[in-house]
Amino acid sequence: RKEVEQDPGPFNVPEGATVAFNCTYSNSASQSFFWYRQDCRKEPKLLMSVYSSGNEDGRFTAQLNRASQYISLLIRDSKLSDSATYLCVVNGDDKIIFGKGTRLHILP
Amino acid sequence: SQTIHQWPATLVQPVGSPLSLECTVEGTSNPNLYWYRQAAGRGLQLLFYSVGIGQISSEVPQNLSASRPQDRQFILSSKKLLLSDSGFYLCAWNLQHNEKLFFGSGTQLSVL
Repeated sequence: RKEVEQDPGPFNVPEGATVAFNCTYSNSASQSFFWYRQDCRKEPKLLMSVYSSGNEDGRFTAQLNRASQYISLLIRDSKLSDSATYLCVVNGDDKIIFGKGTRLHILP
Repeated sequence: SQTIHQWPATLVQPVGSPLSLECTVEGTSNPNLYWYRQAAGRGLQLLFYSVGIGQISSEVPQNLSASRPQDRQFILSSKKLLLSDSGFYLCAWNLQHNEKLFFGSGTQLSVL
């Protein structure tokens, strides 16, 4: 099993729809989790941390399921500007592991 | 507030030429510093990280080296570039190893 695994997509979603994607991780001792957003040829930017109780930031909701070892990102009322690649990041055992990302295209 | 600067933004170099990419962090002390590479269509690969001046850990054997001559300066170098060194190079920092990372704007390196 890969350390951090994401569906590469692309997810093609009409504007205004809700989209969700997951990320699985292999190390049960992982301690912290993040979602990053990366636009083409740009640096990754922190979107949100993921807390055990789940957390919400505007249209974005992140959740952690330790038992099944996955984190999720839900985007409501998607905007054209949400088109990007979303990277899952898992920290633990002195290592920071990035997923390869899920590409999201919001269609007008 | 903290900022991270990375330059140059774009670089085209011939095979066999040397490389020097520089990264500096402002507004904080004793950061952890990282160099990542992202090849086209692939994930981020950690190349080097540093927890202090002169302390460099290498994650993968390669043609590159890193140095940290000052607390907030991190340099990625090569004596002779290979075609396979092409990619998007990103510098990043955090204060604790398990904390979120903050990235520089990246350098797109093309080795021809």
